[in-house]
Amino acid sequence: GAVVSQHPSRVICKSGTSVKIECRSLDFQATTMFWYRQFPKQSLMLMATSNEGSKATYEQGVEKDKFLINHASLTLSTLTVTSAHPEDSSFYICSARDRGPYSNQPQHFGDGTRLSIL
Amino acid sequence: AQTVTQSQPEMSVQEAETVTLSCTYDTSESDYYLFWYKQPPSRQMILVIRQEAYKQQNATENRFSVNFQKAAKSFSLKISDSQLGDAAMYFCAWRSGAGSYQLTFGKGTKLSVIP
Repeated sequence: GAVVSQHPSRVICKSGTSVKIECRSLDFQATTMFWYRQFPKQSLMLMATSNEGSKATYEQGVEKDKFLINHASLTLSTLTVTSAHPEDSSFYICSARDRGPYSNQPQHFGDGTRLSIL
Repeated sequence: AQTVTQSQPEMSVQEAETVTLSCTYDTSESDYYLFWYKQPPSRQMILVIRQEAYKQQNATENRFSVNFQKAAKSFSLKISDSQLGDAAMYFCAWRSGAGSYQLTFGKGTKLSVIP
């Protein structure tokens, strides 16, 4: 089955540090990738939609300059949390959509990244 | 805007018994997909089952089945012969049949399985 690799799985760093999270589709090409944030005991909140070769589309209330998204190839999207602060601590999950022609294909999720800012 | 509602924050079931998780949604679109995802403590998102809105037949995957009532905009998940490994958060999700393929999630139901 389709596999999405998300790295790193866990990050602990000091306030003010920038953190990059990678999301790779390993055995398929993903024209579209999605980035979610999940607070404890809550649902997934879509942050942005990332399309290969174009600018990401951010959801309302998500700071574009804080959460930089790059989708430079059909298999890789990155989320950079710039100058991270404790309130940015959360669980971040990516998902990818296969570029195949069938609209009924589900999104494939990475295993998530637990970000802790001290 | 599309909304997905899961009215049961928590549910419990005895091992080997059957449990049904509720989900309702609101949309004006006629072409869409519905999903149930499982998120165990490891926090992986695992696709349990999916349903295409144009299909009248309810989807089934082994012990998991859905009751899809399109007119009522209801999409419940039935888990038969519950196992300890079924304990997890379950999220109902909706996606348009066209457009950006974004998922809209419900708030989730935490399922506990009692041995």
